[in-house]
Amino acid sequence: QVQLEESGGGVVQPGRSLRLSCAASGFTFSSYGMHWVRQAPGKGLEWVAVIWYDGGNKFYGDSVKGRFAISRDNTKNTLYLQMNSLRAEDTAVYYCARESLGFSSTMDVWGQGTTVTVSS
Amino acid sequence: AIQLTQSPSSLSASVGDRVTVTCRASQGITSGLAWYQQKPGRAPKLLISDDSSMVSGVPSRFSGGGSGTVFTLTISSLQPEDFATYYCQQFNNHPYTYTFGQGTKVEIK
Repeated sequence: QVQLEESGGGVVQPGRSLRLSCAASGFTFSSYGMHWVRQAPGKGLEWVAVIWYDGGNKFYGDSVKGRFAISRDNTKNTLYLQMNSLRAEDTAVYYCARESLGFSSTMDVWGQGTTVTVSS
Repeated sequence: AIQLTQSPSSLSASVGDRVTVTCRASQGITSGLAWYQQKPGRAPKLLISDDSSMVSGVPSRFSGGGSGTVFTLTISSLQPEDFATYYCQQFNNHPYTYTFGQGTKVEIK
C-alpha cells in the first residue's frame, strides 16, 4: 500500500543541525512532488517546503528559508529535510506528504510524523 | 502572501447536527481550496480538493463549496468519528507558497 515513513527526529540543542528522512513505498516516488509540513505542539499546520518530482525546483516557507534544505533521492525513494541553525520555534512534529498529481496542489498522502525538539 | 482565516476556531455540536466551517482568503483564490481532517495524534487526511471535489473514500456527508474568497466545508449529519480539527489549504505561485488556515476544532456537545 501507499506509505510514507519519517525518521530522524529527536532532541537537539539550539543552533545545531538535524536531518530528517522520509521513506516512500507503494507508488512511483519519482513521479510525485513531495512536501514537508510541520505542527508545533498544540498549534496548526505550517507548510515548510516542497520539491518537484525530479528535484528540479524547491520552494520554502519564509520561517525556514536559508536554514532548511529539502532534497530527494529517487533511486532510494527517499525524501530529506536538512535543518540547520535550529531554533526553539522549530520544535514540532514534521510530516512528509505527497503532492497530488494533476493541478489540485493538495497533499493526498501523509506520513505519521517525526518529532523534533529544540532545547538546551 | 494569501492568508486563510477559518471560522469559528472551535465549535460544539451533537451527533446528527449539520455543521459548517468557513474559510476566508485575504485575496481571491484561483488554484482551488482543499480541506483536511486531523484527529489527535494522527496525520492530517485530505477530504476535499479543488473547492468541492470529494476524495475517494470520504463519506458523502462531507461537502465543500464556495469560490473566490469564501469557502465552506459542510458536514450534513455529524457522526462520532467526525470530531476532529479541520484545516483549509490553498496554493499560490506568486510567491510560491502553500498556506493552511488556523484550524477549526469540532467538539462534542
